[in-house]
Amino acid sequence: SQTIHQWPATLVQPVGSPLSLECTVEGTSNPNLYWYRQAAGRGLQLLFYSVGIGQISSEVPQNLSASRPQDRQFILSSKKLLLSDSGFYLCAWTGRAGYTFGSGTRLTVV
Amino acid sequence: GIQVEQSPPDLILQEGANSTLRCNFSDSVNNLQWFHQNPWGQLINLFYIPSGTKQNGRLSATTVATERYSLLYISSSQTTDSGVYFCAVDRWTGNQFYFGTGTSLTVIP
Repeated sequence: SQTIHQWPATLVQPVGSPLSLECTVEGTSNPNLYWYRQAAGRGLQLLFYSVGIGQISSEVPQNLSASRPQDRQFILSSKKLLLSDSGFYLCAWTGRAGYTFGSGTRLTVV
Repeated sequence: GIQVEQSPPDLILQEGANSTLRCNFSDSVNNLQWFHQNPWGQLINLFYIPSGTKQNGRLSATTVATERYSLLYISSSQTTDSGVYFCAVDRWTGNQFYFGTGTSLTVIP
């Protein structure tokens, strides 16, 4: 069966520090992968999606970047974090049963 | 993009009560899913239901694609049902998954 792993679960980082969040999927090949952010409140915002290795599309201009170095690995990065980058970050993939989300990373920038 | 509206925004139920959550969307969709976000933030997939009716235990969902709405029914609610329920849709083209703003459900014992 397919599983999606996301880490770390929580992260507290100072302003100006770098960021690297990792997401991996098991049990499938060539998945579409996504990074979403949920700020305070309820809305989920699509940040990046990838349909294959090295293929990244960005939905909104921001301080973050994404990379897909391997088929089932999706990385969210920043060179210098801003306070406004705080939030709950969710990785997802799509299959026959629709979207499946990872357990999320709660990022607090201080 | 597609507009996704959920109602009600907030709901408080006594344990054992039934409820109906509604999701309206503004355009034809390829996929519709209902999620439950638990207190730890994880989004749990409840139903993949672009059309028709499905049931899973105390939960059931119906999507009427031609009229652009979906309903989530919760029967005999339990405190563990508390959390935020999201409806999300995507289109036949593109890779955007559009979320509603959610219904926050609190079930009190």
